[in-house]
Amino acid sequence: GAVVSQHPSWVICKSGTSVKIECRSLDFQATTMFWYRQFPKQSLMLMATSNEGSKATYEQGVEKDKFLINHASLTLSTLTVTSAHPEDSSFYICSARTGLAGGPSTGELFFGEGSRLTVL
Amino acid sequence: AQKITQTQPGMFVQEKEAVTLDCTYDTSDPSYGLFWYKQPSSGEMIFLIYQGSYDQQNATEGRYSLNFQKARKSANLVISASQLGDSAMYFCAMRLTGFQKLVFGTGTRLLVSP
Repeated sequence: GAVVSQHPSWVICKSGTSVKIECRSLDFQATTMFWYRQFPKQSLMLMATSNEGSKATYEQGVEKDKFLINHASLTLSTLTVTSAHPEDSSFYICSARTGLAGGPSTGELFFGEGSRLTVL
Repeated sequence: AQKITQTQPGMFVQEKEAVTLDCTYDTSDPSYGLFWYKQPSSGEMIFLIYQGSYDQQNATEGRYSLNFQKARKSANLVISASQLGDSAMYFCAMRLTGFQKLVFGTGTRLLVSP
């Protein structure tokens, strides 16, 4: 099956620094990638939808300048947490969708392993 | 707007028994898809099963089956013959046709005991 890989799995950084998380589709071209944030023991909250070659669409309440998303190729999307603060500590998980048209169906959406960010 | 509700924060089941995890949804759109994902402690989201709103039969995937009751707007996950490795968080999610994002419920933590 399709594989989505995230890197790094774990990252610890100092407050004020920026952190980049990569999401790669390994064996398919992902026209759309999604970035989610998950607080401990809570559900996944969609942060933004990333389309290759265009600007990301952010969900309400998500700071665009804080969470920079770049989808420069059909296999890579990056999330950069700028000037990270302890409240940005969270589990970030991406998912990728193939370019299949049509309605909802299985096999279109694949999740990465997630990246756990800790800001000291 | 669509909404997913999972009312069971936690469930316990003994090994080899069946367990049902509840999920109700709310949407006025006639075309949608319902998903169940498993999230072990390692964090990755594992796709389990899918049900389309127009599917006539309940979806089944091995030990997983989806009890889809459209009129009640419920899509409960049934796990038969529970195994210790089934202990994890389980999320129900919905996606509307033509839209891309998944909306997740709050999840149910399942613990399987020997």
